[in-house]
Amino acid sequence: DIQMTQSPSTLSASVGDTVTITCRASQSINSWLAWYQQKPGKAPKLLIYKASSLQSGVPSRFSGSGSGTEFTLTISSLQPDDFATYYCQKYSPYSWTFGQGTKVDI
Amino acid sequence: EVQLVESGGALVQPGGSLKLSCAASGFTLSSYTMTWVRQTPGKGLEWVSAITVNYVPYYSDSVKGHFTISRDNSKNTIYLQMDSLRAEDTAVYYCAKDLTPQWEFDAFDKWGQGTMVTVS
Repeated sequence: DIQMTQSPSTLSASVGDTVTITCRASQSINSWLAWYQQKPGKAPKLLIYKASSLQSGVPSRFSGSGSGTEFTLTISSLQPDDFATYYCQKYSPYSWTFGQGTKVDI
Repeated sequence: EVQLVESGGALVQPGGSLKLSCAASGFTLSSYTMTWVRQTPGKGLEWVSAITVNYVPYYSDSVKGHFTISRDNSKNTIYLQMDSLRAEDTAVYYCAKDLTPQWEFDAFDKWGQGTMVTVS
């Protein structure tokens, strides 16, 4: 099975910062990677799909990059609403696997 | 507006059974692969099961053989039958919709609010 490893597990930041979260796959997943944001008590929200495509309605300060085994989610000019936990997910055929999550806090 | 509403979560004893439902509205259910994802309290997300538009089911290794996914497009509902429940199945269960119609493997663009299953 392909494993997804996110880093860091926790990230402390301030409003206005640019933050980067990394997700590594144990083998190539081409660009079949999504990023989600989750706030406490809420369902995850899709931010990025196919590694770099911005989901409709998501602010442009969110961006994704990468292919193969290494991917990044970048949040430019962090806003108060962005403090949350972020998950990567691979969706290659026959299995879907999430990373362990990265909590972005103040 | 797309909506997914899960129901059926409960407190159940180990070895028991439970059937979750996910009622869909605002889109053509028959055109999308649908998925169940669970989240252990305070922990991360775990993909559980998916069912394609052609009714092909997929399961994670952790639930294979004791969970069954199904869909009834006429009722706009997907189901997760959970048998031989174990303590480690305790989680919030979410249903989720694929981003792209007719695709079998995709990101999830809509999620329900989740339903809690406690095995104790």
